[in-house]
Amino acid sequence: ETGVTQTPRHLVMGMTNKKSLKCEQHLGHNAMYWYKQSAKKPLELMFVYNFKEQTENNSVPSRFSPECPNSSHLFLHLHTLQPEDSALYLCASSPLAGESYEQYFGPGTRLTVT
Amino acid sequence: GQNIDQPTEMTATEGAIVQINCTYQTSGFNGLFWYQQHAGEAPTFLSYNVLDGLEEKGRFSSFLSRSKGYSYLLLKELQMKDSASYLCAVRDSNYQLIWGAGTKLIIKP
Repeated sequence: ETGVTQTPRHLVMGMTNKKSLKCEQHLGHNAMYWYKQSAKKPLELMFVYNFKEQTENNSVPSRFSPECPNSSHLFLHLHTLQPEDSALYLCASSPLAGESYEQYFGPGTRLTVT
Repeated sequence: GQNIDQPTEMTATEGAIVQINCTYQTSGFNGLFWYQQHAGEAPTFLSYNVLDGLEEKGRFSSFLSRSKGYSYLLLKELQMKDSASYLCAVRDSNYQLIWGAGTKLIIKP
């Protein structure tokens, strides 16, 4: 248990569906992150929130839409995804963004787009 | 461009020692992290190096040479539970984390 939870753990969706991934951290951190992890590839940073404000958006397609209602919760809204979006989506948190703190990861959501 | 290189896969024997190397080319340097990730689980923090030298934590040690753009993770007295992927990540001058693709370590009895 790292103090970061993610739901659902597994998700299968069609290309026309809309779904949301949820992340919650119980560590009192102020920064939260979404990463995409594909097999044998480096972790890809998608979005960063610091004190609920989005500070990074690394050229992510608009079919991925993040939402951060407070410092403890982070969502990733998905719509009209493509098969190549199938991957493990990891949420992480740290005390602050842009500092030399370690990040604490959730177990991820395994997404399959059919 | 920025790049982190580490071997894709390594195999070692239970009870032995293994060294996982990581080389990096980044725009600036503000620390290097090692994470462990078991299959289907979250990456968990192992070590952090910002100055040259060796950091020891029980059976695990991490070494850094900033002039060579090089780090290694040393695992001693290997146990079956050490079978996992080991991720190297470097924080660049903008405090962005640049990740390697990970090294899958297989431990055999």
